[in-house]
Amino acid sequence: EVQLVETGGVLIQPGGSLRLSCAASGLNVSNSYMSWVRQAPGEGLDWLSVIYSDGSTSYAESVKGRFTISRDRSKNTVFFQMNSLKAEDTAVYYCASFFAAKFFDYWGRGTLVTVSS
Amino acid sequence: EIVLTQSPATLSLSPGERATLSCRASQSVSISLAWYQQKPGQAPRLLVYDASSRATGIPARFSGSGSGTDFTLTISSLEPEDFAVYYCQQRTNWPLTFGGGTKVEIK
Repeated sequence: EVQLVETGGVLIQPGGSLRLSCAASGLNVSNSYMSWVRQAPGEGLDWLSVIYSDGSTSYAESVKGRFTISRDRSKNTVFFQMNSLKAEDTAVYYCASFFAAKFFDYWGRGTLVTVSS
Repeated sequence: EIVLTQSPATLSLSPGERATLSCRASQSVSISLAWYQQKPGQAPRLLVYDASSRATGIPARFSGSGSGTDFTLTISSLEPEDFAVYYCQQRTNWPLTFGGGTKVEIK
């Protein structure tokens, strides 16, 4: 059974930095395509980033240059470094497996990031 | 960027009724379209991929159809657990985009 567990969400001030983690079991993050998707309160889904099995990455324009996706093979964990946080980054952040680079077949339960002074 | 427009925004139906949800793309996505279900406080769940293929464990009452720019998710007979928000998603072009969602609520 595949499980993805996100951690790291907190209340943080604008301009701050935060690193989210996504610990995987039942799948190998190094052989998979892994993504981060967020959902602002009461809003829809917003794709942010993907890391491919070859280590290459891609980002949505809204976070390019501020956020960085990475992985640790030994921990089977994907990370999301978020810098220069803004109030509009407030959302639940989901980690998801991006099957065949087409759709998301497994999702974590999400972690809430609140950016506020 | 491909814009996905879902309609209606809200669908009010009774258990046992048929639900028909629409997703229209601003340009062709071929069959590269997926549907997700999301209940309050939960993560989205994959229902359909490649426009019409049901994901593992998804009941047969869920079916997807369409190609190009017009897609439909049909729930043949609503069960109490089907009342939720449904999203479509495309990956033909970057960036990957989601529709705004259709809420299926109990009438």
